[in-house]
Amino acid sequence: ELKVEQNPLFLSMQEGKNYTIYCNYSTTSDRLYWYRQDPGKSLESLFVLLSNGAVKQEGRLMASLDTKARLSTLHITAAVHDLSATYFCAVLPNTGNQFYFGTGTSLTVIP
Amino acid sequence: NAGVTQTPKFQVLKTGQSMTLQCAQDMNHNSMYWYRQDPGMGLRLIYYSASEGTTDKGEVPNGYNVSRLNKREFSLRLESAAPSQTSVYFCASTRGGDLNYGYTFGSGTRLTVV
Repeated sequence: ELKVEQNPLFLSMQEGKNYTIYCNYSTTSDRLYWYRQDPGKSLESLFVLLSNGAVKQEGRLMASLDTKARLSTLHITAAVHDLSATYFCAVLPNTGNQFYFGTGTSLTVIP
Repeated sequence: NAGVTQTPKFQVLKTGQSMTLQCAQDMNHNSMYWYRQDPGMGLRLIYYSASEGTTDKGEVPNGYNVSRLNKREFSLRLESAAPSQTSVYFCASTRGGDLNYGYTFGSGTRLTVV
């Protein structure tokens, strides 16, 4: 059974602090996607990582992919309140055309 | 530039009632998907359609049926709703074969079965 595990599930952090969200997966894949979901809203694409060692950055968020470790990270630098949301990683196995989602990390940034 | 449009946005059903959730995309995407989102469980795939004319089961297909009416539209039907089907349902689409983009999601349908 393919598993995609995120941790932590819940994260409360103060503004200005740094933190990392982890996404581990159990299949062979070099295709990893990160999404953001605001409460009551749909999912918005953040990053697309398509090779080992891929790194993408947008503002205070940086995502990376280590396909050998089957691990992706989403690093938050100097958090601000606007980053409060739930973040999902999704894996597309090298064989197949279905995305598999992690359970999500609910991030709350406290002023 | 509508993207993926889902209807309805909210629905309350009584146990045993049936309904169809509609999804349409205007991006000429080949692949379409139906997910359900439940607290603490992420998104789970119900059915997908890799291309027009094909449909396949996902992780949790029981109690659901789908129809890929044409390239634009992919509907999800609940024949006899059960309280366990209370969830938020998302439709999504992709180009299929183009990995530089992930899903484009619809705004979701919040379904309550009482």
